[in-house]
Amino acid sequence: AQSVSQHNHHVILSEAASLELGCNYSYGGTVNLFWYVQYPGQHLQLLLKYFSGDPLVKGIKGFEAEFIKSKFSFNLRKPSVQWSDTAEYFCAVSRDSNYQLIWGAGTKLIIKP
Amino acid sequence: GAVVSQHPSWVICKSGTSVKIECRSLDFQATTMFWYRQFPKQSLMLMATSNEGSKATYEQGVEKDKFLINHASLTLSTLTVTSAHPEDSSFYICSALAGGSEQYFGPGTRLTVT
Repeated sequence: AQSVSQHNHHVILSEAASLELGCNYSYGGTVNLFWYVQYPGQHLQLLLKYFSGDPLVKGIKGFEAEFIKSKFSFNLRKPSVQWSDTAEYFCAVSRDSNYQLIWGAGTKLIIKP
Repeated sequence: GAVVSQHPSWVICKSGTSVKIECRSLDFQATTMFWYRQFPKQSLMLMATSNEGSKATYEQGVEKDKFLINHASLTLSTLTVTSAHPEDSSFYICSALAGGSEQYFGPGTRLTVT
């Protein structure tokens, strides 16, 4: 069955540290890849998405993600985090032409001021 | 950007009663909406896909007679939890598909069954 795994359930960083959150999926066909963020008390928001083309995708708020097909990975990165990045981050995958999302378990990110 | 609302944001009901949750796309039309359930410290679980004008498609293990979905218009889908039990207590989230493959999410509804 198709699945999405996020390597870290909790990450704690200091401000200005670099961030990388891992995401791997299991599906051999064409996929669409997403990172969503949920700030405390708010609803899910799309950070960035990959459908095709350049495997390095830039999203909002300085986030980027790289799709590495050979590794079935779509890791999220940010060179310098801010306290306001404290949130829960979800990786999700949908099979091409299928809008249904398969979700990772989420990573809670805490940024210490 | 596209906005999706849910009502109510939280509800407490007694065991055995039914609860209706509304999901609205405020500034766009959505032929497809999704209903998710999120357990504490777990990821979202897709319950069903709601299509305007047709029957919802339920995921394996989700009881369609318990979780009634009605997508009566292009901007409204409702989820009714019938004969609710404490184990139905959860966070229910809807999303609406706005063109392409992008889903916009509602803020969620916290259901507590006593």
